[in-house]
This record gives sequence, structure tokens and C-alpha cells, in this order.
Amino acid sequence: GAVVSQHPSRVICKSGTSVKIECRSLDFQATTMFWYRQFPKKSLMLMATSNEGSKATYEQGVEKDKFLINHASLTLSTLTVTSAHPEDSSFYICSAPGGGISSYNEQFFGPGTRLTVL
Amino acid sequence: RKEVEQDPGPFNVPEGATVAFNCTYSNSASQSFFWYRQDCRKEPKLLMSVYSSGNEDGRFTAQLNRASQYISLLIRDSKLSDSATYLCVVTPSGTYKYIFGTGTRLKVLA
Repeated sequence: GAVVSQHPSRVICKSGTSVKIECRSLDFQATTMFWYRQFPKKSLMLMATSNEGSKATYEQGVEKDKFLINHASLTLSTLTVTSAHPEDSSFYICSAPGGGISSYNEQFFGPGTRLTVL
Repeated sequence: RKEVEQDPGPFNVPEGATVAFNCTYSNSASQSFFWYRQDCRKEPKLLMSVYSSGNEDGRFTAQLNRASQYISLLIRDSKLSDSATYLCVVTPSGTYKYIFGTGTRLKVLA
């Protein structure tokens, strides 16, 4: 099956710093990737759709200047949390639709990045 | 009303029990439906896609009722390893976007 990796798996940073999270499709190309955020005991909330070669599409209520998304190639999307604050601490997960690999619009998820802002 | 709703549980059941989860969705034009399983602090893993005709995979059976806008998951002969959160996922028509339900926690007890 299709594999999606994320790096780093865990990051702890000081308030005010920026954190970059990478999402890679390892054995398939992804013109679209999705970024989710999950707070403890809550479900995944879609933050934005990352589009290769064009601007990301953000869901309502998500600040695009706070969460910068770059999808520079067909296998890599990055999410940068700028000027992170403790309330940004969360589990961030990316996914990519399998396209031709999957027959049913299935998305493949990365292992997630746990961000803790002190 | 939330787009995708599930009973958060928790459902505590003994080993060997049969347990069923329901999920309702509000967008009648939704096109794809899935059940995912998520273990604590891990990413979601696909359990099964849900087809209009219903489908079964071992101890798991999924059903879709478009008229009533709900999907269901039935787990037979529950195992301790089935303990997890089960997430209902719906895809709006014309997109790859996933709309996740709130998740239902299942704990299978020895």
C-alpha cells in the first residue's frame, strides 16, 4: 500500500518559535495533501488542503498566516506553525489520496507529529 | 448540527460480545464512506470502506443507508485488540476531503 511519512514525529519548542513539519508520499505522487489537527480526546479536524504548485485552501477558522503550507513537489508538503503558542500544542497529521493506487478515494495517513509548545 | 455524528461512548463490552456503532451524516450528496480505527496517539488506520450494498471483512460488517443517511459498523466476537476509537469518515461529492466523525471509543474487557 501507499506510504506517507512525517517528520519530525515529536517536537517540543518554546513559545514564539516557528516549527516546520514535513509530509512525504514515499511511493506515489500526490498533487493534493491534507493537514489535520487533533486535540486530546477529540476527532481530527481538517485544517487545509495542500495543492502542488498552487496556494493551499484553508478551512474556515484556520489562520493562513499562522499555518503556512508549501507543496513544492509531487511528494512533499510542509506545514509551518509560525510564532507557536501553547494553544497550538496538538497532534498534526497529514494525508494524501491514493489516486490510482486506491480504488475508492482512500487517503493514506502519515504517522503524525506531536507538537508541544512550552 | 455536525456534519458527521457518532456516539462518543465509551462502549465497554466483554470479550466475545457483538457491538454495533452508528454514524449519521448531514450531506445527502456525500459519495464515499469509511470506517477508520485509531489507537491512542497514533494515526488513523483504514478498517474498511463502506459500499452501498454493504460489505463484510471477517468479524466486521459495514452497512450504508443512504435514505436515512447513516452508516453502521458491526463487530462480532470482540477481541481485546479491538479496543480503540472508531472513526466514521464521509467524503463530500466531488472532493477527496474527509469529514471525520467525533469517534466512538470501544473498550473490550477480559
